[in-house]
Amino acid sequence: QVQLVQSGAEVKKPGASVRVSCKTSGYTFTRYGINWVRQAPGQGLEWMGWISTGNGNTNYAQRLQGRVTMTTDTSTATAYMELRGLTSDDTAVYYCARDRGFEDNSGFPFWGQGSLVTVSS
Amino acid sequence: EIVLTQSPATLSVSSGERAALSCRTSQPINSNLAWYQQKPGQAPRLLIYGASTRATDFPPRFSGSGSETEFTLIISRVDSEDFAVYYCQQYHDWPFTFGQGTKLEIK
Repeated sequence: QVQLVQSGAEVKKPGASVRVSCKTSGYTFTRYGINWVRQAPGQGLEWMGWISTGNGNTNYAQRLQGRVTMTTDTSTATAYMELRGLTSDDTAVYYCARDRGFEDNSGFPFWGQGSLVTVSS
Repeated sequence: EIVLTQSPATLSVSSGERAALSCRTSQPINSNLAWYQQKPGQAPRLLIYGASTRATDFPPRFSGSGSETEFTLIISRVDSEDFAVYYCQQYHDWPFTFGQGTKLEIK
């Protein structure tokens, strides 16, 4: 069965960077893109960006451009999201979510369990 | 960026009643809209894609409709397990965006 297992909770100081991993299994990694979505405490969902696991192409949310980098390691079927220059506004649960189909962004049927990132001095 | 506006912010219904949730987009998006259900402490679950195609995990009391800029999620007879927050999301154009959510609560 399809599984996305994310790395554990992190506590970071303002200005630091964080890298969240998303290890996948149960399907061919390179055939489905990975999205990253975050949710601040008590708030809604915010789409952060997408990476093609086939060729590494990315699309990022404009407000995060320059601070976020999404990468993959095809040898371990793992996706990564790095966010730099952290502020308290980046405190959130970060999710990875797989595309529904091959070159098909029509919804995200599979999600990781979420990784809580807390930014605090 | 395409902005999604969901209404109402909170919808109070009794079990067995019908619930209608709205999602409006700032630009036409054909049928490139998904709906998600999220319960506290859980990841979102894909409920509807293509504006009206129900995911296999969900019962037929859930239905989606609409196109271009106006979309609706209908729960024909709300069950106790349906109380949650519902989000719409467009995948018509980058950046993909979510609505702010509608909380379905027990009346």
